[in-house]
Amino acid sequence: NAGVTQTPKFQVLKTGQSMTLQCAQDMNHEYMSWYRQDPGMGLRLIHYSVGAGITDQGEVPNGYNVSRSTTEDFPLRLLSAAPSQTSVYFCASSVQGARSYEQYFGPGTRLTVT
Amino acid sequence: GQSLEQPSEVTAVEGAIVQINCTYQTSGFYGLSWYQQHDGGAPTFLSYNALDGLEETGRFSSFLSRSDSYGYLLLQELQMKDSASYFCAVPSGSARQLTFGSGTQLTVLP
Repeated sequence: NAGVTQTPKFQVLKTGQSMTLQCAQDMNHEYMSWYRQDPGMGLRLIHYSVGAGITDQGEVPNGYNVSRSTTEDFPLRLLSAAPSQTSVYFCASSVQGARSYEQYFGPGTRLTVT
Repeated sequence: GQSLEQPSEVTAVEGAIVQINCTYQTSGFYGLSWYQQHDGGAPTFLSYNALDGLEETGRFSSFLSRSDSYGYLLLQELQMKDSASYFCAVPSGSARQLTFGSGTQLTVLP
């Protein structure tokens, strides 16, 4: 199993550009989520999904969109990049419900917005 | 909402024992998780406590006191490879989404 994969590993954008961060998992997990991590800080939840076709907002959703058309994939779209979105983005997945405390993380995407 | 407090930095020497504390405020408490993250890497799950008491997994143990809204991660026989950031986290909400603390940077000195 590959686990959770993310592409790209690194990305540089100019202010105002849009892009999609890809995330896929092969563990048949119902729950998937996106976090951002800024220097010296913990992970903050952007959006999450409890299954195909179901998404919801986390703590810091502004400027980001998500969709979940399959169990495996959960892309994150930046609509109009801003320097404040410079961060490391992690995708995670877990079994839904009582075991959601054990999340499996992808390797991250390091995004710089200039 | 949820909030978690943990020390920003802890330093210890190889072979020693170190304790990383976490206090939390949350509505609808389910339990306390711990994650490890090496520089440049992804967080990895270490342990979870739903009930009061100590859970041991090899050199790592985790403790929870629900009445005190407090937990800690205990690392024994420290090794250089234990140098990393450690995060406590609580699941909450209908989907039990995780809220993370800001992390404790552990430095292990030779």
